[in-house]
Amino acid sequence: DAGVIQSPRHEVTEMGQEVTLRCKPISGHDYLFWYRQTMMRGLELLIYFNNNVPIDDSGMPEDRFSAKMPNASFSTLKIQPSEPRDSAVYFCASSNYVSLNQPQHFGDGTRLSIL
Amino acid sequence: AQTVTQSQPEMSVQEAETVTLSCTYDTSESDYYLFWYKQPPSRQMILVIRQEAYKQQNATENRFSVNFQKAAKSFSLKISDSQLGDAAMYFCPWSSGSRLTFGEGTQLTVNP
Repeated sequence: DAGVIQSPRHEVTEMGQEVTLRCKPISGHDYLFWYRQTMMRGLELLIYFNNNVPIDDSGMPEDRFSAKMPNASFSTLKIQPSEPRDSAVYFCASSNYVSLNQPQHFGDGTRLSIL
Repeated sequence: AQTVTQSQPEMSVQEAETVTLSCTYDTSESDYYLFWYKQPPSRQMILVIRQEAYKQQNATENRFSVNFQKAAKSFSLKISDSQLGDAAMYFCPWSSGSRLTFGEGTQLTVNP
């Protein structure tokens, strides 16, 4: 079975540009999570969806960040305009919560560098 | 605040020996789950083992086992017969529902 698929794997862009990160969750999973990982702050949950509906976006750092999930097989995380402090690895994860112990399955992450 | 503390930023072990990674957490929830994930240099997040808080029996997965002390809110990971491929950053998040709460991680080095 295919795992969580993220694209691109690496993204380098200049400050002020719009950045769009993409995620395809595991088929049948009804939860989708976006995380950001930095040396300073570790792994932070940005937002998560259940059945395509955003449930908790309290981790989204500011209005420059937005996330959508138009259907069960696709989600985007957009940063507009981007800033150097947004440089990080962004992970998408999905899970199927039949019960609490279902683990989250992570994608390989997108390493974002804002110059 | 509901937190996870991994007090050992770095650990090292000789190949074939045993190492224990520490993890403590703080939660007011009564029903929750604990996990250990490893993140090798490839940066993938790989599930190592999971533990249900209501179970007294410690989880075991091949060379990996946990020591779960619910009263002490402690959840350590023991790696037996360490292998070079075990070198990674290890995280011990917990979950009471849909979201995981992560600590800062422990970087494990395996020396040949």
